[in-house]
Amino acid sequence: AQSVTQPDIHITVSEGASLELRCNYSYGATPYLFWYVQSPGQGLQLLLKYFSGDTLVQGIKGFEAEFKRSQSSFNLRKPSVHWSDAAEYFCAVSRGNTPLVFGKGTRLSVIA
Amino acid sequence: NAGVTQTPKFQVLKTGQSMTLQCAQDMNHNSMYWYRQDPGMGLRLIYYSASEGTTDKGEVPNGYNVSRLNKREFSLRLESAAPSQTSVYFCASSEMGQGTHEQYFGPGTRLTVT
Repeated sequence: AQSVTQPDIHITVSEGASLELRCNYSYGATPYLFWYVQSPGQGLQLLLKYFSGDTLVQGIKGFEAEFKRSQSSFNLRKPSVHWSDAAEYFCAVSRGNTPLVFGKGTRLSVIA
Repeated sequence: NAGVTQTPKFQVLKTGQSMTLQCAQDMNHNSMYWYRQDPGMGLRLIYYSASEGTTDKGEVPNGYNVSRLNKREFSLRLESAAPSQTSVYFCASSEMGQGTHEQYFGPGTRLTVT
C-alpha cells in the first residue's frame, strides 16, 4: 500500500529565510506526487505536481519541489518565505488510477 | 465556474441524528471523493466514486454512506451521528486515471456532534 510520511509536524521560519518541507513516500513504482497548501479555514489548493520527466518541478507562489527516486522523497522548497506562506502543507501520492493518499501535514509558522 | 461546492458550511448535530452532506462539481470530472480531516491526522478517505454509478470504500468508511446521484453530485450521509464523527469534511473531484489526476477540493463542511 502507498504511504506518505511528513516527518515535521510544525516548522517555524523567519520571514525571508529559506524553507524546505520534507516528504517521503512508500511505493514500488514511480508515483504521481503532489503538494497541497491549506490556509486556515480553507480548502486545499494544489501547489505543484510531478508525474514524470524533469525531477525539479515549479509550482505556484514561488514554490518548487524535487523528486529523488533513490531517497523516495519529494521535498518542497522556497528560497524566501513570506508571512502569507503560513499555512498547513500536505504531500500526497497516487498511482494515477487510485485516490490520493495524504501525509499528516506540516504546519508552517512565519515569524518577523 | 464554481469548481467544487459543498453544503452546508457548518452543522451541529446531536448524537443519533442523521444528515446528508452535499457536494457538486461543474468540471465534468468522472471521479469524486469524500475525506475527513482531523487534527494531526491529515486527510483520510471515507468513500470515493471512480465514475458515475460506482462507489468504493476508503480508509474510514464506518458510519457513513454515499450516493453518486449523477456525474455532478456526490453526497455523504451520516445515519446516526456519533461524537467521533466531529470533523471537517472535504469533497473533491478529479479525472482519476486519465491525464492530470490532481484532485480539486471544496471549501469543507465543519461538523460538530454533541
